[in-house]
Amino acid sequence: SQQGEEDPQALSIQEGENATMNCSYKTSINNLQWYRQNSGRGLVHLILIRSNEREKHSGRLRVTLDTSKKSSSLLITASRAADTASYFCATGYSSASKIIFGSGTRLSIRP
Amino acid sequence: NAGVTQTPKFQVLKTGQSMTLQCAQDMNHNSMYWYRQDPGMGLRLIYYSASEGTTDKGEVPNGYNVSRLNKREFSLRLESAAPSQTSVYFCASREEGNYGYTFGSGTRLTVV
Repeated sequence: SQQGEEDPQALSIQEGENATMNCSYKTSINNLQWYRQNSGRGLVHLILIRSNEREKHSGRLRVTLDTSKKSSSLLITASRAADTASYFCATGYSSASKIIFGSGTRLSIRP
Repeated sequence: NAGVTQTPKFQVLKTGQSMTLQCAQDMNHNSMYWYRQDPGMGLRLIYYSASEGTTDKGEVPNGYNVSRLNKREFSLRLESAAPSQTSVYFCASREEGNYGYTFGSGTRLTVV
């Protein structure tokens, strides 16, 4: 079964607006990662946040983690057409090197 | 710098046929993974290999076998393909101490 669940399943916004996606998970984690997948392509690693971190930035991306609520959010600021893709959260555990993916959020940026 | 290379990119099989999906990485990563992705869903882990010579089952291993041929190569075999194995298969690798995965571009498999 999938550990992370993204919300919303689909999101359509105007270019230039900010996009926020959420991820909830069920059991304690070591780290949480976000990936992007363009249509018909493989996944690209965006950012990783460890369980002892609360916020992390990378360019136009901001990730927060709330371990008490077992949730994370990904914020993309000043969205561009090239940000159109599916975004997945993935949870990692200290006891194994594997990660478990959520079902993803499909983000569409309208020109 | 090729990263993770998967072959073939597309394949159509008849029910009962067998095939091997190939994956190779040139980044000297210890860990390698096979995932499948079904329409509208995230990735589900089939098998993984934490290091050369070791393999472990993931969430959905039934109907598959794997071989970690050497540090570079991790193959996935379908012994008797079934329509339920129609999916896109992704191979990934990970550097020791770095939790971010590097993915290949996928193999789109259709079983008829």
